[in-house]
Amino acid sequence: TQLLEQSPQFLSIQEGENLTVYCNSSSVFSSLQWYRQEPGEGPVLLVTVVTGGEVKKLKRLTFQFGDARKDSSLHITAAQPGDTGLYLCAGVLRGGADGLTFGKGTHLIIQP
Amino acid sequence: DAGVIQSPRHEVTEMGQEVTLRCKPISGHNSLFWYRQTMMRGLELLIYFNNNVPIDDSGMPEDRFSAKMPNASFSTLKIQPSEPRDSAVYFCASRTYPVQAGANVLTFGAGSRLTVL
Repeated sequence: TQLLEQSPQFLSIQEGENLTVYCNSSSVFSSLQWYRQEPGEGPVLLVTVVTGGEVKKLKRLTFQFGDARKDSSLHITAAQPGDTGLYLCAGVLRGGADGLTFGKGTHLIIQP
Repeated sequence: DAGVIQSPRHEVTEMGQEVTLRCKPISGHNSLFWYRQTMMRGLELLIYFNNNVPIDDSGMPEDRFSAKMPNASFSTLKIQPSEPRDSAVYFCASRTYPVQAGANVLTFGAGSRLTVL
């Protein structure tokens, strides 16, 4: 059983469209992170959210941490081909060891 | 800084052979992680070290896998004997420790792609 469930697994949309991907769990996290991974490379951190209900923006990307700190979403406005990649959420369980647990990711393709 | 350095980048070996993957963390980072990534299972945490001490090795698949961190600047992940199901991309990542709230940030290497025939 995956501790962090990401959906959808695969998403292919046209340039200029908006999209939202989700990261859900039945467990409470002290913090959640989003990483982006390109082929042949390791994941790279995009953002960390710590407070329930927190919203962070990174240019066209908006990240939200659920009020109960069990879930998070990533919204991309006006997607561009450069946004193509594997988006991973990762979290540290509240009260648990401080190792990061990753979801399986959302494979995103933005077609020109 | 050159980032997290992993070697080899690619390894092809035959079933039963010993495989050693190497990692040099970012200078000053005193916490190191080994992950394995496959399409089926995603990124799985194998083991991590804080100040060269193994903290959680519950993700290590079985006794064929072992990891060491003899000093702050070097770690190895060894598979002996290797099996086809071990084929995956193995990532090393590092961070500073202790971790402050909101600062549990991992920097990943480029990975070692292992193929066991």
